[in-house]
Amino acid sequence: ELKVEQNPLFLSMQEGKNYTIYCNYSTTSDRLYWYRQDPGKSLESLFVLLSNGAVKQEGRLMASLDTKARLSTLHITAAVHDLSATYFCAVDSSGNTGKLIFGQGTTLQVKP
Amino acid sequence: NAGVTQTPKFRILKIGQSMTLQCTQDMNHNYMYWYRQDPGMGLKLIYYSVGAGITDKGEVPNGYNVSRSTTEDFPLRLELAAPSQTSVYFCASSPGTQTSTDTQYFGPGTRLTVL
Repeated sequence: ELKVEQNPLFLSMQEGKNYTIYCNYSTTSDRLYWYRQDPGKSLESLFVLLSNGAVKQEGRLMASLDTKARLSTLHITAAVHDLSATYFCAVDSSGNTGKLIFGQGTTLQVKP
Repeated sequence: NAGVTQTPKFRILKIGQSMTLQCTQDMNHNYMYWYRQDPGMGLKLIYYSVGAGITDKGEVPNGYNVSRSTTEDFPLRLELAAPSQTSVYFCASSPGTQTSTDTQYFGPGTRLTVL
């Protein structure tokens, strides 16, 4: 059974600092997704990582995937308050049907 | 495009009642999904569909049923509601995993309370 674990689960940081969120998963998969959720809102897609070594960047966020280590990272550079949200990673458990297993989420709080 | 729409936004049910959560997408996506999100947790897949007439169970299907008669609609039926079904329900759609943009697009959610 595929398990997806994120750490940390809660992260409070100052504006301008860098930090990394980790997403580990327990069985082989080549498809990993990152989503953002604001309080009381729906999920917004951030990144789709489809192969080993994939790296994608958007603004202050960069995501990478190492399928051999079964690890994805979401790196935050020079955090700003607008990045405060909960971030989820999700792994495709089926390979071709989009049956996603989600991590517990990492709640990021960026303080001015 | 409205994207993925869900109705109702909120609902309170009594134990044992039934209801249908509606989900519609206007992006001509073949793949559709139903998730539930309990407080402070990630999403869990209830049911999914890879096309009209095709549905299959996810992680937590017990107490739910789905149908997919058209590409656009994917209703979720709760029979005999129980307090354990109190949750936020999200519908999502995707163009499919064989495309380069196969991420899932989520609806706004339905907040359901069973008392």
